[in-house]
Amino acid sequence: GENVEQHPSTLSVQEGDSAVIKCTYSDSASNYFPWYKQELGKGPQLIIDIRSNVGEKKDQRIAVTLNKTAKHFSLHITETQPEDSAVYFCAASRYNNNDMRFGAGTRLTVKP
Amino acid sequence: NAGVTQTPKFQVLKTGQSMTLQCAQDMNHNSMYWYRQDPGMGLRLIYYSASEGTTDKGEVPNGYNVSRLNKREFSLRLESAAPSQTSVYFCASSWEGYNTEAFFGQGTRLTVV
Repeated sequence: GENVEQHPSTLSVQEGDSAVIKCTYSDSASNYFPWYKQELGKGPQLIIDIRSNVGEKKDQRIAVTLNKTAKHFSLHITETQPEDSAVYFCAASRYNNNDMRFGAGTRLTVKP
Repeated sequence: NAGVTQTPKFQVLKTGQSMTLQCAQDMNHNSMYWYRQDPGMGLRLIYYSASEGTTDKGEVPNGYNVSRLNKREFSLRLESAAPSQTSVYFCASSWEGYNTEAFFGQGTRLTVV
């Protein structure tokens, strides 16, 4: 089955700096790659996703890039703010497959 | 809209006891899921239901059973709780499969002593 690895496990940045979180996946048939943000005491919430037919997607301060050849994808957050502090999860799945696999998570801390 | 609602929010069980975690969604989603979240391990799929009347095993199904009671409700049962089942459990739903946004509940923190 699919195996998703996520790095780093913790990341601390100064407010205004950029943050990058990287994930690799093992199943070349995976074609959907969402990113979830989990705030303390809450369930994960989708912040951005990308499908295998595009290489990059951007939504305001967040962007995701996908390299299918190398089987890795990354989350980029620019101009970080304290409210970006949370745990971020990457995930991967195949189309029409209900078995989505998550990375272990990255705890991002943005220091004011 | 409440989204995905899980009950209870917290539970302490003794080893060997049984309990059912309840989940309901009001978004008319076809697919529902149960995950467990453990430190350093992300979210692992226990069971899922692609549509009303169907259920399938995920990555870590041992020790659990599920029931898709109707389109709205998907319950998770622990027949004989073990300390290894201490975890935070999340229910989620999506319109159709995992290529559409999954919405998560607030979680149930379960401790088995």
